[in-house]
Amino acid sequence: QVQLVQSGAEVKKPGASVKVSCQASGYTFTNYYIHWVRQAPGQGLEWLAIFNPSGGSTAYGQNFQGRVTVTGDTSTSTVYMELSSLRSEDTAVFYCARSNAKYSGLSHWGQGTLVTVSS
Amino acid sequence: QSVLTQPPSASGTPGQRVTISCSGSSSDIGSETVHWYQKLPGAAPKLLIYSNNLRPSGVPERFSGSKSGTSASLSISGLQSEDEADYYCAAWDDSLNVYVLGTGTEVTVL
Repeated sequence: QVQLVQSGAEVKKPGASVKVSCQASGYTFTNYYIHWVRQAPGQGLEWLAIFNPSGGSTAYGQNFQGRVTVTGDTSTSTVYMELSSLRSEDTAVFYCARSNAKYSGLSHWGQGTLVTVSS
Repeated sequence: QSVLTQPPSASGTPGQRVTISCSGSSSDIGSETVHWYQKLPGAAPKLLIYSNNLRPSGVPERFSGSKSGTSASLSISGLQSEDEADYYCAAWDDSLNVYVLGTGTEVTVL
């Protein structure tokens, strides 16, 4: 069955970077896009980025341009999301999710990774 | 970052019908299909409706979606207590090349 397994919780200081991983299994990794979405405490869902494992192309949300980088490793079917220059407002649960195409619904989700930014 | 506009809250009694609106623009809802997600506390979002009005396997028939022009809506008929959750619409924005999410609607079952 399709599974997206994310790395564990992180605690970072302001100004630092965090790298969250999302390992896919149960399907052909290069046939589906991976998105990153986050939810800060008490806030709504916010889209960060999309990654195409077939070729490695990316697109980023306007609020995160210059701060987020998404990469992938086809040998391990893993996608990485790195967010830099962290501030307290970046404290959130980060999710990876899979879609058939960039405009499709996000049908499968990872379990979420809590990133806490605190001095 | 552009967003799709939803009412902050909606409510109904068990068995009632609740409808949530989602307003966008010509470059997102007006150009692409709309998807809806259910978000329960402590859980990952769940795809509820995709491509405007299709339900993934396992989603109850009481959930339905529609789209007209630059707006879309999600309806829950026969509201049940377990439907109490946050609901988000989403669509790809062709001109900005980003995935746009709605502001979210909290549904309360009275």
